Amino acid sequence: TQLLEQSPQFLSIQEGENLTVYCNSSSVFSSLQWYRQEPGEGPVLLVTVVTGGEVKKLKRLTFQFGDARKDSSLHITAAQPGDTGLYLCAGVSSVWSGAGSYQLTFGKGTKLSVIP
Amino acid sequence: GAGVSQSPRYKVAKRGQDVALRCDPISGHVSLFWYQQALGQGPEFLTYFQNEAQLDKSGLPSDRFFAERPEGSVSTLKIQRTQQEDSAVYLCASSGQGREIYEQYFGPGTRLTVT
Repeated sequence: TQLLEQSPQFLSIQEGENLTVYCNSSSVFSSLQWYRQEPGEGPVLLVTVVTGGEVKKLKRLTFQFGDARKDSSLHITAAQPGDTGLYLCAGVSSVWSGAGSYQLTFGKGTKLSVIP
Repeated sequence: GAGVSQSPRYKVAKRGQDVALRCDPISGHVSLFWYQQALGQGPEFLTYFQNEAQLDKSGLPSDRFFAERPEGSVSTLKIQRTQQEDSAVYLCASSGQGREIYEQYFGPGTRLTVT
């Protein structure tokens, strides 16, 4: 079973601060995804990282995939109250096992609160 | 709207009752997934359809859980003889095929509470 550990579990910061959240595993993934989920809604895909060492930027959000494709980080610059939500990472298996390979393995998430 | 819709949004069931949860995927999406999200947890995979074929049901927790997608569009997740541990948010997601299968669009979920 491939597990994804996310840290920290909870994070409360002031508007304008920077933050980084982490997603770690002992398993290799062919790609990792980051989602944001707001209360009462389903997760919304933010980005997919595929290549080891890859860095992607989405406005104030920077996503990095570890060189060994076992971990990823999300850095937010100058956080805003609108960034508040549950940030989930999800991995795609690197081992092809038929239809089961389409499963996404999710971490438990980091619950971010940005205080105005 | 063109997104994934789910109904009902909230369901309260007494222990032992049967429930049926509906998912309307994005039109034209071949792939459909069901996930279970317990409080404070990330979503956990339940089952996967490609058109009307259920290709992976390895995540269904027991034989009380049954899913179908008879015409390759709308899907229903049925839970028989509900138990308290079934209380969770049930999320449906749809996507295309090929590499697009991993670009999953989620519905808002159905929050099931078993009393």
